[in-house]
Amino acid sequence: NAGVTQTPKFRVLKTGQSMTLLCAQDMNHEYMYWYRQDPGMGLRLIHYSVGEGTTAKGEVPDGYNVSRLKKQNFLLGLESAAPSQTSVYFCASREGHRETQYFGPGTRLLVL
Amino acid sequence: RKEVEQDPGPFNVPEGATVAFNCTYSNSASQSFFWYRQDCRKEPKLLMSVYSSGNEDGRFTAQLNRASQYISLLIRDSKLSDSATYLCVVPPTDSWGKLQFGAGTQVVVTP
Repeated sequence: NAGVTQTPKFRVLKTGQSMTLLCAQDMNHEYMYWYRQDPGMGLRLIHYSVGEGTTAKGEVPDGYNVSRLKKQNFLLGLESAAPSQTSVYFCASREGHRETQYFGPGTRLLVL
Repeated sequence: RKEVEQDPGPFNVPEGATVAFNCTYSNSASQSFFWYRQDCRKEPKLLMSVYSSGNEDGRFTAQLNRASQYISLLIRDSKLSDSATYLCVVPPTDSWGKLQFGAGTQVVVTP
């Protein structure tokens, strides 16, 4: 039981490049989330999903897209990276009837 | 006003001492609360849940004050390994599941 995993762990992009961050969970959780964490800002919700095939916007969705084609995977895409998207990205999941969230180890993204 | 507010600290605590800090929340309908711990450059991990007036787990005690809308976390006999950022989390009151995170309180335990 690996819990929540994230790929890649670290990435450097140039402005304008695109990439996809992958989150996978093996706990059969319904809910999945993407957050970004910046110094002094705490965790901010980007997008979330309440089940396979569904996604919704969070607090800071601009510049990001997501997909949940399979229950266990939640993908976060950056179509045209900007320096303002330099951050640490955390994925999390939880069961439908419980409130505890389980986090992945994070992806550190640097956009030059 | 932010939905969840925390004193960012840092709280510098001598090893063996007691430290306490608060988290205020704005939604009076909130029923349960969580404290997460986040070590430097790592993911947040659940420390403890608070469902009624409080909860105790070893050296950690969480208390809830509904009238004043804050929860507190107290750490007794601080260890060096307690150095971390402590995040206050307020679950949603609807079923859509968007947790509200505080920005965190940094605790530094010194020898």
